[in-house]
Amino acid sequence: IVLTQSPGTLSFSPGERASLSCRASQTVSSNYLAWYQQKPGQAPRLLIYRASKRATGIPDRFSGSGSGTDFTLTISRLEPEDFAVYFCQQYVTSITFGQGTRLDIK
Amino acid sequence: QITLKESGPTLVKSTQTLTLTCTFSGFSLSTNGMNVGWFRQPPGKALEWLAFIYWDDIGRYSPSLKNRVSVMKVTSKNEVVLRLTNVTPEDTGTYFCAHRVDDSDGLRDYWGQGTLVTVSS
Repeated sequence: IVLTQSPGTLSFSPGERASLSCRASQTVSSNYLAWYQQKPGQAPRLLIYRASKRATGIPDRFSGSGSGTDFTLTISRLEPEDFAVYFCQQYVTSITFGQGTRLDIK
Repeated sequence: QITLKESGPTLVKSTQTLTLTCTFSGFSLSTNGMNVGWFRQPPGKALEWLAFIYWDDIGRYSPSLKNRVSVMKVTSKNEVVLRLTNVTPEDTGTYFCAHRVDDSDGLRDYWGQGTLVTVSS
């Protein structure tokens, strides 16, 4: 399953709402779709799994939605620490990642 | 507390075999359901899954690397070893090991800090 994240970069100001897109080349069954945040020099951090379930310790400003082939990560009010790169991942059969979307400060 | 840490060479030459070790604590790979995975990330690029090994010694591999990658566990030492044969500069990147738990409490990932490997031509 190929995951496409577009655009590659989004620019927002702190306090704004951001929506990131992830599109799959075929249906992601059982919504086995996760979202990760990664900051420079760090390992990825799991934010969302099963498309909409928040991982342990993740603030409720992060939410996931979607099913089938179209998925969205929404950050309701951007905090300064949210500016990072976000990857989607499917884990239906094997594991593949999207190319990532970078959130930049406007 | 679950921790993982990658170790190995920082520089290898093309055509050589890259061997990396993941040393972990807080769980045992002899316990039903346990696993350790390997991932990598070229500089400035996306993450790529390489392999998983499970408590029952079954390995799953990325189709794109299946002929070059292997993993083995050393249960007594809480280690998992990744081998990648015939490396090229395209194998340059940060290599991560990780442990995934998916149970009634949900999905949880635990990652090592990563180790940067450069392949010279």
